[in-house]
Amino acid sequence: GAGVSQSPSNKVTEKGKDVELRCDPISGHTALYWYRQSLGQGLEFLIYFQGNSAPDKSGLPSDRFSAERTGGSVSTLTIQRTQQEDSAVYLCASTEGAGELFFGEGSRLTVL
Amino acid sequence: QKEVEQNSGPLSVPEGAIASLNCTYSDRGSQSFFWYRQYSGKSPELIMFIYSNGDKEDGRFTAQLNKASQYVSLLIRDSQPSDSATYLCAVTAGGYNKLIFGAGTRLAVHP
Repeated sequence: GAGVSQSPSNKVTEKGKDVELRCDPISGHTALYWYRQSLGQGLEFLIYFQGNSAPDKSGLPSDRFSAERTGGSVSTLTIQRTQQEDSAVYLCASTEGAGELFFGEGSRLTVL
Repeated sequence: QKEVEQNSGPLSVPEGAIASLNCTYSDRGSQSFFWYRQYSGKSPELIMFIYSNGDKEDGRFTAQLNKASQYVSLLIRDSQPSDSATYLCAVTAGGYNKLIFGAGTRLAVHP
């Protein structure tokens, strides 16, 4: 595809359930980022991949959060035992290097 | 101290005026600085980037960087109502390409 693709666009889940959010970056982009944006707030850095490696996982809010990237392409962000405070828009972005980040449309997560 | 700080606003300016948006950052090792614009309900999009001290102009936009003061700003000349959005300052940190965003400044340009 031409841009960064994220799925699902909307997810409503019950507290305690696990969710998986998917990001398909722009072809050829080596770097991939996950951010979280709560209503009216800025972007909270979660994790960054260079290729399949994540140099810095310190942004993940708790051990319920994990992410992986396979084949230097698709990435999955997994949230286990979701809590209401996990409700937010999860944004994925990719870039060729240290330049412009191209963002997906985001996955809006609502935990009831 | 937050890694990237911005005044949340709203910053209200009349159409045609200059809007000045400011950002400070804490990591002296930061090398790259970006301004993103985010319309309500949309994803951020890049407006400008700057790597060296001084000014960088692109159309109605000018980015200014002062590494000694750990300060970066964005000037928007001849502001238009269509410029009304949240402007996010982003800075590389941690010695590599980790990009940290500020909370954003909401700009409102009124006719």
